[in-house]
Amino acid sequence: GEDVEQSLFLSVREGDSSVINCTYTDSSSTYLYWYKQEPGAGLQLLTYIFSNMDMKQDQRLTVLLNKKDKHLSLRIADTQTGDSAIYFCAETLKAAGNKLTFGGGTRVLVKP
Amino acid sequence: ETGVTQSPTHLIKTRGQQVTLRCSSQSGHNTVSWYQQALGQGPQFIFQYYREEENGRGNFPPRFSGLQFPNYSSELNVNALELDDSALYLCASSLVGDSWKQYFGPGTRLTVT
Repeated sequence: GEDVEQSLFLSVREGDSSVINCTYTDSSSTYLYWYKQEPGAGLQLLTYIFSNMDMKQDQRLTVLLNKKDKHLSLRIADTQTGDSAIYFCAETLKAAGNKLTFGGGTRVLVKP
Repeated sequence: ETGVTQSPTHLIKTRGQQVTLRCSSQSGHNTVSWYQQALGQGPQFIFQYYREEENGRGNFPPRFSGLQFPNYSSELNVNALELDDSALYLCASSLVGDSWKQYFGPGTRLTVT
């Protein structure tokens, strides 16, 4: 079945790296995503990775996918105060078209 | 800026009433999905429309219904509102040939009292 899990909270100092983790249960994922949500706002697509890839880098963002352990991570280099937000990982499955299944979100707090 | 707009921004309704939420997508985005995000949770898939027909539905009762129009706008209708329907409602659209990449609107915050 579908289940996407994330840790609830992460605190990090400005300038450090942040690593947000996510686990999923369905091995038929096609794409995996990271979305950012700031207070009172909708979801912003940060990055995505196709399920046959292991890693993707996009400026300060690095996505790592471990298919064996069904583990996805997002690393943010040189974290800034503007990175404070809730981060959601999500997946789409082969059998479910492009329906997104989200985790519960990780609240990231960046301290100066 | 995703080019997806939603109206209204906020809405307060009473239990038992009906509500219509609206979404406007970019030209060419012929797939629209609606999600419900309860406070402190991740979004839950309600349903998806493709070329004006329902194309997949999540675990939501029939009192949640939708429409998609040829001008890339869509509606989410909820009848017989319940207190648990209080949430942020998000629509997301995607482009022909790029359906795996969905762009979200800012959402409508619905409060049911």
